[in-house]
Amino acid sequence: DIQMTQSPPTVSASVGDRVTITCRASQSIITWLAWYQQKPGKAPKFLIYKASSLESGVPSRFSGSGSGTEFTLTISNLQPDDFATYYCQQYNSYPLTFGGGTKVEIK
Amino acid sequence: QVQLQESGPGLVKPSETLSLTCTVSGDSMNSFYWSWIRQPPGKGLEYIGYISHFGLTNYNPSLKSRATISVDTSKSQFSLRLSSMTAADTAVYYCARLDGGNTLDYWGRGTLVTVSS
Repeated sequence: DIQMTQSPPTVSASVGDRVTITCRASQSIITWLAWYQQKPGKAPKFLIYKASSLESGVPSRFSGSGSGTEFTLTISNLQPDDFATYYCQQYNSYPLTFGGGTKVEIK
Repeated sequence: QVQLQESGPGLVKPSETLSLTCTVSGDSMNSFYWSWIRQPPGKGLEYIGYISHFGLTNYNPSLKSRATISVDTSKSQFSLRLSSMTAADTAVYYCARLDGGNTLDYWGRGTLVTVSS
């Protein structure tokens, strides 16, 4: 299985800040990476696919980059609605695997 | 807009088999694959498996053959059976749609399943 490691586990930030979350894969996944946002008690919401392509309706302050084994999710101009936990997911091979999550909390 | 809704028992006894059903509305089940994902309380997401509309399945080997996913397109439903349940299987179980790119674009709200005697 491909192991996905996210860092940091928690990031404290204020409204308007720029936040960067890192996701590392245990082997190359090319750009077969997705990002999800999850709020407490809710299902994950699909944000980004193929490492950098925004799903329809996702605000442009979200951006993704990377290839191979290292990827980043950046949230520019953090908004109150963005405080949540973010997960990366590889789909280079089955079983699909997720990172452990990064919680973006209010500073 | 595609909607998915999980249904099933919230409490299962150890060693018993969990049965969950996901009802899909708002679109045909054809052309997509359908997946189960779970999340233990306070922890991350784990892929359980998928089924295609024509019955092709894939399972996470970590479940050691305890999972079975089936589909009934006439009812717009797919189901999960997970045998030999233990406390470690306590989790919120989500059903989700796998799009053509193997990402999970629509999710159900999830259902909490607790394993306890």
